Amino acid sequence: GQQLNQSPQSMFIQEGEDVSMNCTSSSIFNTWLWYKQEPGEGPVLLIALYKAGELTSNGRLTAQFGITRKDSFLNISASIPSDVGIYFCAGHPVGGTYKYIFGTGTRLKVLA
Amino acid sequence: SQTIHQWPATLVQPVGSPLSLECTVEGTSNPNLYWYRQAAGRGLQLLFYSVGIGQISSEVPQNLSASRPQDRQFILSSKKLLLSDSGFYLCAWSVTEYEQYFGPGTRLTVT
Repeated sequence: GQQLNQSPQSMFIQEGEDVSMNCTSSSIFNTWLWYKQEPGEGPVLLIALYKAGELTSNGRLTAQFGITRKDSFLNISASIPSDVGIYFCAGHPVGGTYKYIFGTGTRLKVLA
Repeated sequence: SQTIHQWPATLVQPVGSPLSLECTVEGTSNPNLYWYRQAAGRGLQLLFYSVGIGQISSEVPQNLSASRPQDRQFILSSKKLLLSDSGFYLCAWSVTEYEQYFGPGTRLTVT
């Protein structure tokens, strides 16, 4: 099925560094969601975005709904070891049904 | 507050055996319900979704089926499991097109 282009696929960073990842689509979205998944668990919703240009924070996490409505970005500031996991973006296309389109995930590893 | 439950948490089944995974949601009415499968280290594959009792949309032709006998209950079934059915099965719910929330998942191993 359709998937979002999420990058990077994986990241190895030092503790304390900032992290950036993004998702792009060929379709216009009216909702963007960012999730974190840890091994053996279901994805946990981190941030939800509803308007083009919207910038929303959740602690050290900040996400933005791209102005073109075809992309979204997630930044993590001052990473810590517990940030390790897989981060997924997801979106709901304009005029679509109740399906969500998911990115392929960014695997983050933090080196202490 | 809303909660979503899945059971069992883990399951080991032989090839050819039947399957029944259950998902229930509490604290909301008329949710949209979803079944996803996730292979090891991979992304999420949408299998089925439902916008109401008895309404099932299938995304991937396979030997799996889904049913929604009650408003907040979603069941994933198979009559005969294949090795390729192994994976991590996730149930999720949403209201309209806004946030979607996932359950804890079921790890299925077909031997």
